Amino acid sequence: DQQVKQNSPSLSVQEGRISILNCDYTNSMFDYFLWYKKYPAEGPTFLISISSIKDKNEDGRFTVFLNKSAKHLSLHIVPSQPGDSAVYFCAASYRGSTLGRLYFGRGTQLTVWP
Amino acid sequence: DAGITQSPRHKVTETGTPVTLRCHQTENHRYMYWYRQDPGHGLRLIHYSYGVKDTDKGEVSDGYSVSRSKTEDFLLTLESATSSQTSVYFCAISDEGEEIYTEAFFGQGTRLTVV
Repeated sequence: DQQVKQNSPSLSVQEGRISILNCDYTNSMFDYFLWYKKYPAEGPTFLISISSIKDKNEDGRFTVFLNKSAKHLSLHIVPSQPGDSAVYFCAASYRGSTLGRLYFGRGTQLTVWP
Repeated sequence: DAGITQSPRHKVTETGTPVTLRCHQTENHRYMYWYRQDPGHGLRLIHYSYGVKDTDKGEVSDGYSVSRSKTEDFLLTLESATSSQTSVYFCAISDEGEEIYTEAFFGQGTRLTVV
């Protein structure tokens, strides 16, 4: 049973525009959320995270928003660049689970075209 | 980049043979994980370790075993490889720090093909 869901397998955005990647979760115990980026033939790399005490976290062009009541988070990339083209995984964790044990969504392939 | 090395990076093996994948870290992190990535499934946890000789099952552990005799090494063994175990395998590490939460760092992956 998928506890973290990314319902859009792909997203295509023009360079310079905003990319919005969405993620939903079902387990109300989750209180820490992460986004990873993955290029082909490489391992996932950590991008940005947010804990449940916040509703927004920003790091340069990347912002993650958390809506706890809706069990929904989103990653905004502004402005999008061709180098952002990758698979983005949403992940979640909770206090009391093994530290670093993550539950992943299936990923969204982002393509940024010139 | 976190010091994580997976070996081999690529392997082709025959059905029914045992296979061992190795993860080596130089970060002295306490926690180590094995995930597999398959199209349409994202990353799924196979086994994890929370210390030397301390391991536990993840969500897709059938057909796999692990061992951790040293902090730096975490081995994943496919006891009798099947075609359904064709996948890309990722090792990850994490550790306790000042924050309650911490991210996991991933290796480059091992592409395993079972024919």
